[in-house]
Amino acid sequence: DQQVKQNSPSLSVQEGRISILNCDYTNSMFDYFLWYKKYPAEGPTFLISISSIKDKNEDGRFTVFLNKSAKHLSLHIVPSQPGDSAVYFCAALINFNKFYFGSGTKLNVKP
Amino acid sequence: SAVISQKPSRDICQRGTSLTIQCQVDSQVTMMFWYRQQPGQSLTLIATANQGSEATYESGFVIDKFPISRPNLTFSTLTVSNMSPEDSSIYLCSVQRTGDTEAFFGQGTRLTVV
Repeated sequence: DQQVKQNSPSLSVQEGRISILNCDYTNSMFDYFLWYKKYPAEGPTFLISISSIKDKNEDGRFTVFLNKSAKHLSLHIVPSQPGDSAVYFCAALINFNKFYFGSGTKLNVKP
Repeated sequence: SAVISQKPSRDICQRGTSLTIQCQVDSQVTMMFWYRQQPGQSLTLIATANQGSEATYESGFVIDKFPISRPNLTFSTLTVSNMSPEDSSIYLCSVQRTGDTEAFFGQGTRLTVV
């Protein structure tokens, strides 16, 4: 039973344009949602998070939107840069100590 | 953030043998976790490593196959026992500090069983 889903295994975007990565979840009890970025041969790196009581959080080029009624969140990267090319994992946190991860979306930003 | 050193970074092992993966954190942390990432899959939690007591395993994972030690608040090991090719995965150590919402990860151990 996968509680966090990323339905797009890959995404290709031109440098300078917007990248939108999507994530759906099933459990309305999640406390926080997070995005991680993973380069090959490295562990996931925390990128940005959002509390379940918020609907938007912004940090520089990265913005996460949360739509609780749709149980959907998205990560926007504007403008996209070639260095953003990586696998992005969506994660959800419950009881502040258990994480559920999506299967990842591989982003390719073309120069 | 936390600096996490995980080793080995990769290994190729014969089936039937065991491999122990080490995770060292640069500061004391409350929560330490072990994850597995199979090719094309999400990160799956194997167990929570508890300091001074037995690890808490998730459904589908057992202590005989994945024994875990956590002798103190900065160190943990995961052993993959009696390996088969199906155990070929990336294994990741993760930590979370009390009060933090984010978890931090080691660089992972890429295990190939032949």
